[in-house]
Amino acid sequence: KQEVTQIPAALSVPEGENLVLNCSFTDSAIYNLQWFRQDPGKGLTSLLLIQSSQREQTSGRLNASLDKSSGRSTLYIAASQPGDSATYLCAVKTSGSRLTFGEGTQLTVNP
Amino acid sequence: DTEVTQTPKHLVMGMTNKKSLKCEQHMGHRAMYWYKQKAKKPPELMFVYSYEKLSINESVPSRFSPECPNSSLLNLHLHALQPEDSALYLCASSQGVGIGQETQYFGPGTRLLVL
Repeated sequence: KQEVTQIPAALSVPEGENLVLNCSFTDSAIYNLQWFRQDPGKGLTSLLLIQSSQREQTSGRLNASLDKSSGRSTLYIAASQPGDSATYLCAVKTSGSRLTFGEGTQLTVNP
Repeated sequence: DTEVTQTPKHLVMGMTNKKSLKCEQHMGHRAMYWYKQKAKKPPELMFVYSYEKLSINESVPSRFSPECPNSSLLNLHLHALQPEDSALYLCASSQGVGIGQETQYFGPGTRLLVL
């Protein structure tokens, strides 16, 4: 059974800092990995999707990498801003249409 | 239009009530999903519809009954729920379920409280 772990569970940083969020998964037979953002009490916003054949994806200040063989992904956020404060979830797609989510990293960026 | 809408935003119901949650998208997506999310936990998949047919039911109790009347609309009918069913119910859609079509777009959710 696929298990997804995110470290750290919570992170508090000053504004302007570059930071890295980590995601690991136990079964490397994935189709893709997706990073989401969730604001309190809201739905999820898709940030980046990396296919299993890709190594990284970039969008603005966000860069996500994937090392399928070692079962790891990182989300790099450059020059963090208070508006980046949210919970960040990674999810892997294995069989069928199922996404397996990690427990998330709760990020607070202090002004 | 890249939006998934859900109604109502909040719902309070008793254990003997019957209610429905509604989800709508106009992106031409052919796959739609229901998730349940408890506080400070990740979303858990409940159902997947692909081309208006139920393709995945993650062993969800029968007090939850999904319906996909057309390609834009997804309902979740609720009956005889328990207090532990209180959660945020999220709907999502994607172009399809195949490679390259999987990015899921989520609605804002319905926060359900069962008394």
